[in-house]
Amino acid sequence: EVHLVESGGGLVKPGGSLRLSCAASGFTFSNAWLSWVRQAPGKGLEWVGRIKTVTDVGTTEYAASVKGRFTLSRDDSKNTLYLQLNSLKTEDTAMYYCTTAVYGFFDYWGQGTLVTVSS
Amino acid sequence: DIQMTQSPSALSASVGDRVSITCRASQNIDSYLSWYQQKPGRAPKLLIYAASTLQSGVPSRFSGSGSGTDFTLTISGLQLEDFATYYCQQSDIIPFTFGQGTKLEIK
Repeated sequence: EVHLVESGGGLVKPGGSLRLSCAASGFTFSNAWLSWVRQAPGKGLEWVGRIKTVTDVGTTEYAASVKGRFTLSRDDSKNTLYLQLNSLKTEDTAMYYCTTAVYGFFDYWGQGTLVTVSS
Repeated sequence: DIQMTQSPSALSASVGDRVSITCRASQNIDSYLSWYQQKPGRAPKLLIYAASTLQSGVPSRFSGSGSGTDFTLTISGLQLEDFATYYCQQSDIIPFTFGQGTKLEIK
């Protein structure tokens, strides 16, 4: 059974940084393309970014709203996906979900980790 | 970016009803369209991908149709557990984008 467990969320001041983690199990992690999707409180879903497999050069792609501030990475030896969030803004406040991203649609989701950016 | 527009934004229905939610893309996305269900406090759940393919384990009362720019999610014979918010999403071109959501409420 596929499990994705996010961690690392919390309260951070504007301009601050945070690193989210997503521990995966139940599938061959190194073969998986992965994404982060976020949801601001009471709002809809927003795709944040995607990372391909190492064999696909580990290519990363980002939404314009986070490009240059957020960085996706993966450690296949630990079956873990990361999202480094820098230069955080209040509008980055959201629940962040880790997902598997087969062909661009999101078939498995974690339970999410909440990031709150506030002074 | 491709804009995804869902209608209606909210919908009231009764158990046993047949309901449809539409999703329109701002440009042709072939069949690169998925549907998700989200209940309060829970992560979204994939229902349908490739416009009409039912995800494993999803009840057959859910169905999807369409291609190009216009798509429909239909629920035939609403059950109590189906009252939730539904989102469409295109996976044709990055950035992947979602519709604004349709909240399905009990009448």
